[in-house]
Amino acid sequence: EDKVVQSPLSLVVHEGDTVTLNCSYEVTNFRSLLWYKQEKKAPTFLFMLTSSGIEKKSGRLSSILDKKELFSILNITATQTGDSAVYLCAVDRTGSARQLTFGSGTQLTVLP
Amino acid sequence: DTGVSQDPRHKITKRGQNVTFRCDPISEHNRLYWYRQTLGQGPEFLTYFQNEAQLEKSRLLSDRFSAERPKGSFSTLEIQRTEQGDSAMYLCASSSLTPWAGTGDLTGELFFGEGSRLTVL
Repeated sequence: EDKVVQSPLSLVVHEGDTVTLNCSYEVTNFRSLLWYKQEKKAPTFLFMLTSSGIEKKSGRLSSILDKKELFSILNITATQTGDSAVYLCAVDRTGSARQLTFGSGTQLTVLP
Repeated sequence: DTGVSQDPRHKITKRGQNVTFRCDPISEHNRLYWYRQTLGQGPEFLTYFQNEAQLEKSRLLSDRFSAERPKGSFSTLEIQRTEQGDSAMYLCASSSLTPWAGTGDLTGELFFGEGSRLTVL
C-alpha cells in the first residue's frame, strides 16, 4: 500500500523566517510527487516533481525530489502571514489517472 | 466562476439519513474525482469517472456510497444510511486529458472544489 509521511505535523514561525517541509514516500511504480496548499478550502496545486535533483521554483517557494532516498522537501523563504496553510504532499503512480495518495499535511502558521 | 463547484457546502444530518452531494466540474474536463478528507488528514481517493464511466472505486467506498455522472458532466455522490464515521469533507476534483508539458503524462492537473462538509449527528 502506498504511503506518504510528512513532517513536521505543525510549525509556527515568524514572518521573514525560512521553513523546510518534508515528505517521504513509499509507492509502487512511482510517477510523480505533488505539493498542494490548502487554506481551509480547496487544495491548490503548487508543484509536480518527476525527476530527482531538479528544483522547481515559484517565487519564494521551491521544491526538490530525491527518488533514491524517496523524499521531497518544500522550502518557503521570507515567509509571510499569507503562507499560513496546510501543505499537502501526494504521490501518483504510473498508469493511474491521478488517484493520488496524500500525506496528512504540515500545518504552517506564520505569525506577524 | 469557472472552477469546480460543489453543493451543498455544508450538510448536517442525523445518523441513518441519506445525503447527496453534487459536483460541477470545469466544463471541458473529462475526468472527475471524489476524495474524502477527515480532520487532520490528507484527502483520500474514493472514485473517479472518465466522461460518464466510473473507472475505479476505492475499497473505502462501501456499499452505502454510490456515485454517478450520468451525462459526463456533473456528478452526484450519495451516502445511504449515514453513520457518524461518514462525517468528513467530500472533495470533488476534475482534470483534462491534456498532457503535462514535457512529461508525457496523460492526465492534467487536478482542480479541486471547495468541498461539501458532512456532519452526522
